[in-house]
Amino acid sequence: DQQVKQNSPSLSVQEGRISILNCDYTNSMFDYFLWYKKYPAEGPTFLISISSIKDKNEDGRFTVFLNKSAKHLSLHIVPSQPGDSAVYFCAASGGLGPGGGADGLTFGKGTHLIIQP
Amino acid sequence: SQTIHQWPATLVQPVGSPLSLECTVEGTSNPNLYWYRQAAGRGLQLLFYSIGIGQISSEVPQNLSASRPQDRQFILSSKKLLLSDSGFYLCALGVFGNTIYFGEGSWLTVV
Repeated sequence: DQQVKQNSPSLSVQEGRISILNCDYTNSMFDYFLWYKKYPAEGPTFLISISSIKDKNEDGRFTVFLNKSAKHLSLHIVPSQPGDSAVYFCAASGGLGPGGGADGLTFGKGTHLIIQP
Repeated sequence: SQTIHQWPATLVQPVGSPLSLECTVEGTSNPNLYWYRQAAGRGLQLLFYSIGIGQISSEVPQNLSASRPQDRQFILSSKKLLLSDSGFYLCALGVFGNTIYFGEGSWLTVV
């Protein structure tokens, strides 16, 4: 049973436009959500996170929106740049402690974002 | 600042051979450490979690084991590799706010 779903395996966006990556979850116990960016043959790097007590968090070009009632979150990248081309993972946590404790993070399968010039 | 070192970066191993992947962290003490795996076409799967020396919990029954001989060292092992063990293995450090930071990863191909 996949608790975190990223239904778009890939997304192509023109440089300078907005990229919107979507993520859905099913576990109501999740209360912390994160986005990671991954280049080929490298470990994922942390981008941005949001607690369930908020509905929006912004960091530079990156904004994450959380809709708890719909169990949906999205990552907006504005404006999109060539260096944003990568695989983006959505992750969720309901555990206690650094890193989500014993439960760790639950990841989606990722969305491959391609920024076209 | 905290850093995570993981090695080897890549390895090709025959079926039935042993495995040892090592991870060390710097800039922190008593860290929560994790091993994740990304198999082809799949997301990141939690394999092992460790809260301290000698304390390991396993999330998925498998052909792998983990050990934590020192506070900032985490080792992933196998006595006999299977083809299905191929994948990208990531050591990770838990930090404040339920966030984790990943190492560079180790590509394992079992042939």
